[in-house]
Amino acid sequence: KQEVTQIPAALSVPEGENLVLNCSFTDSAIYNLQWFRQDPGKGLTSLLLIQSSQREQTSGRLNASLDKSSGRSTLYIAASQPGDSATYLCAVGHGSGNTGKLIFGQGTTLQVKP
Amino acid sequence: EAQVTQNPRYLITVTGKKLTVTCSQNMNHEYMSWYRQDPGLGLRQIYYSMNVEVTDKGDVPEGYKVSRKEKRNFPLILESPSPNQTSLYFCASRKGSGNTIYFGEGSWLTVV
Repeated sequence: KQEVTQIPAALSVPEGENLVLNCSFTDSAIYNLQWFRQDPGKGLTSLLLIQSSQREQTSGRLNASLDKSSGRSTLYIAASQPGDSATYLCAVGHGSGNTGKLIFGQGTTLQVKP
Repeated sequence: EAQVTQNPRYLITVTGKKLTVTCSQNMNHEYMSWYRQDPGLGLRQIYYSMNVEVTDKGDVPEGYKVSRKEKRNFPLILESPSPNQTSLYFCASRKGSGNTIYFGEGSWLTVV
């Protein structure tokens, strides 16, 4: 059974710091991995999507990496800002790819202090 | 604008009173799905649909029904709601399995 774990559960950093959020999964048979942002009481916004054949994706100050063999992904946020404060979730697309199933981690709640 | 729209956004209902949460997307996506989010349990998939008239169970389908009669709509039906179905519900859609998934804003449901 695929399990997705995110560590730490919460993180507080001063503004301007570079930081790394971690996501691990138990079964390497994934077809993609996505990172999402969720603001309190809101829906999820997709940040980055990495296909299973890719190693990383970048968008602005965000960089996500994927190492399928070790079952790990990281989300790197450069020069953090207070507006980055949110919960970050990773989700793996698991199975044949046609089932449309995502399995989510519990998330890391990030606070960036001014 | 690409959107996944859920209604209602907030609902308090009583045990046993049937309710439907609607979901509509304007992106002509084949895949649609429903999730519930609970503290300590994260997001769990309830049902998903790969196309019109094609639906299947996710991880927590008990107590829920869905239908996909049109490509754009994927309603979630609670035939006889119970308090353990109190949760935050999200509808989501995407073009294909390798594509970005788009989420609705969520529906807060309380069953008393």
